[in-house]
Amino acid sequence: AAGVIQSPRHLIKEKRETATLKCYPIPRHDTVYWYQQGPGQDPQFLISFYEKMQSDKGSIPDRFSAQQFSDYHSELNMSSLELGDSALYFCASSLGGGRVSYEQYFGPGTRLTVT
Amino acid sequence: DAKTTQPPSMDCAEGRAANLPCNHSTISGNEYVYWYRQIHSQGPQYIIHGLKNNETNEMASLIITEDRKSSTLILPHATLRDTAVYYCIVRSSPNQAGTALIFGKGTTLSVSS
Repeated sequence: AAGVIQSPRHLIKEKRETATLKCYPIPRHDTVYWYQQGPGQDPQFLISFYEKMQSDKGSIPDRFSAQQFSDYHSELNMSSLELGDSALYFCASSLGGGRVSYEQYFGPGTRLTVT
Repeated sequence: DAKTTQPPSMDCAEGRAANLPCNHSTISGNEYVYWYRQIHSQGPQYIIHGLKNNETNEMASLIITEDRKSSTLILPHATLRDTAVYYCIVRSSPNQAGTALIFGKGTTLSVSS
């Protein structure tokens, strides 16, 4: 079965640079979520989109922005990168709209290293 | 969403059942219990969820107490590949598309041969 695709899988940037992470949801899934997981920490929710509209917002820094496109893929844009942004970034997708529950399916993650 | 409490770690022998407890004493009537797991540095994996009835799928069984204040995830025949951090998460319903999962500390399950 098709899974969530994230690109790139690894990314190395320097401080103050920008980075763009991409997420392609499972076919027919219209909801995407972004999570950040620092070293030795649990995943922390950043932001989500349903039908191209922001749905929920967590502890996402102002330096980060995200959007969902017409084909439901999503991009997380990160500017003025800091050393503390080094982490695994997971994207998840789910079906949306009038359901009782929404199981989220996670991608393999993008490992961002800021030097 | 209700807070959950899980033991930080558990051990299990390969081939035996792994029973992972979760306390959610402040759960309200419309909140679901979800279980996810994360194998080292991989994306979290959905396992199972339930409201009040016991649930079973190809991966695991979920037993929820009658008062819904606690639950147990059961892996009937644990294998080495089940070694992971297991997260018990309570989410409100009616769920809205896009609602975040709030990960707590989870239980690190170590399966050994």
